[in-house]
Amino acid sequence: GENVEQHPSTLSVQEGDSAVIKCTYSDSASNYFPWYKQELGKRPQLIIDIRSNVGEKKDQRIAVTLNKTAKHFSLHITETQPEDSAVYFCAASIDFNKFYFGSGTKLNVKP
Amino acid sequence: AAGVIQSPRHLIKEKRETATLKCYPIPRHDTVYWYQQGPGQDPQFLISFYEKMQSDKGSIPDRFSAQQFSDYHSELNMSSLELGDSALYFCASRPGLAGPQETQYFGPGTRLLVL
Repeated sequence: GENVEQHPSTLSVQEGDSAVIKCTYSDSASNYFPWYKQELGKRPQLIIDIRSNVGEKKDQRIAVTLNKTAKHFSLHITETQPEDSAVYFCAASIDFNKFYFGSGTKLNVKP
Repeated sequence: AAGVIQSPRHLIKEKRETATLKCYPIPRHDTVYWYQQGPGQDPQFLISFYEKMQSDKGSIPDRFSAQQFSDYHSELNMSSLELGDSALYFCASRPGLAGPQETQYFGPGTRLLVL
């Protein structure tokens, strides 16, 4: 089955700096890659996603890049704010069937 | 807009008891996913249903079973509960045929504590 690896496990940045989280996947058939933000005890919330026919997608301060050849995708958050502090999960899916999650990155944005 | 509803939100059970978790998907969503998330862990896919049929299976223990009913709600039945079953259980839904390119939306979760 699919194996999704995520790095780093923790990331601490100063407010206003950028944060980058990276994921790799193993199954070349995976074609949908969402990113979720999860606050303690709350549900995962989709923040951005990308499909395999697109290399990059941006939504305000958040961007995702996908390299299909290398089988990795990254989340970029610019101008970080304290409210960005949370756990971020990447995931991979083939045609929206089962979703495989990365192990999560705890982002701490220091004011 | 209506969201995924899960009940109960909190549940405390003793070892070897049974538990039933319910999930009500967003209206017109015919696909339901169940996930288990232990403390500090990522969500683990358990099982999914599309149009009342099981569509995929993940790391669901044999002690657990699930089904999707004619109104598209789903129930996760857990028997012979173990301490290690203590976790957050999320349900997610998405439209299947009605919206094949739309992603899943998570419910608020059920926190199960097994004592």
